[in-house]
Amino acid sequence: EVQLLESGGNLVQPGGSLRLSCAASGFTFRNYAMNWVRQAPGKGLEWVSGISPSGSDTSYADSVKGRFTISRDNTENTVNLQMNSLGAEDTAVYFCAKASGLYFYYYYMDVWGKGHKVTVSS
Amino acid sequence: IVLTQSPGTLSLSPGEGATLSCRASQSVSSSYLAWYQHKPGQAPRLLVYGASSRATGIPDRFSGSGSGTDFTLTISRLAPEDFAVYYCHHYGSSPLTFGGGTKVEIK
Repeated sequence: EVQLLESGGNLVQPGGSLRLSCAASGFTFRNYAMNWVRQAPGKGLEWVSGISPSGSDTSYADSVKGRFTISRDNTENTVNLQMNSLGAEDTAVYFCAKASGLYFYYYYMDVWGKGHKVTVSS
Repeated sequence: IVLTQSPGTLSLSPGEGATLSCRASQSVSSSYLAWYQHKPGQAPRLLVYGASSRATGIPDRFSGSGSGTDFTLTISRLAPEDFAVYYCHHYGSSPLTFGGGTKVEIK
């Protein structure tokens, strides 16, 4: 069964940092692009970042560019999101999602994790 | 590309049909338009990709259509488990975008 499980810290002060991880199982991880998508309280889904199967290509939403870094470890089957300079606007549930192919664009997201709540508050 | 969904909320009874609209700010290839169902506390579920192809295991009461700037998700007869929020999604270029969502609630 294809599964994605997010983990990481939950509460951070404004200006702080947090690292999220997503553990993948049930598919050949190194063959697929991966994405992070978030949902702020009472809001819709927002794409945050994507990474190619090798990790050589990455892309970010303007709202997080320069603050967030996506990476992956194809030996551990994990994709990570390093989040720095966090603000209240980053409070959200963060979902890890598998792309259906080689790119984080051109391919729909076919499997999602259940999400991980991140709260930025003093 | 900005995706605008309408209506924001649909109040319907089980057994009724639902028509959800998604309008793109510029013409997009139908190859790169998807629909997701999302319930609170759960992972979003892929329903349709390529504007009209149903994902694996999705009941045939769900159907997608459209081209250019106008896309539609139709639920022919609402089952109790279909009450949720639905999002359209464009994945043809970066940044990827989602519509604001349509909530289908029980009347």
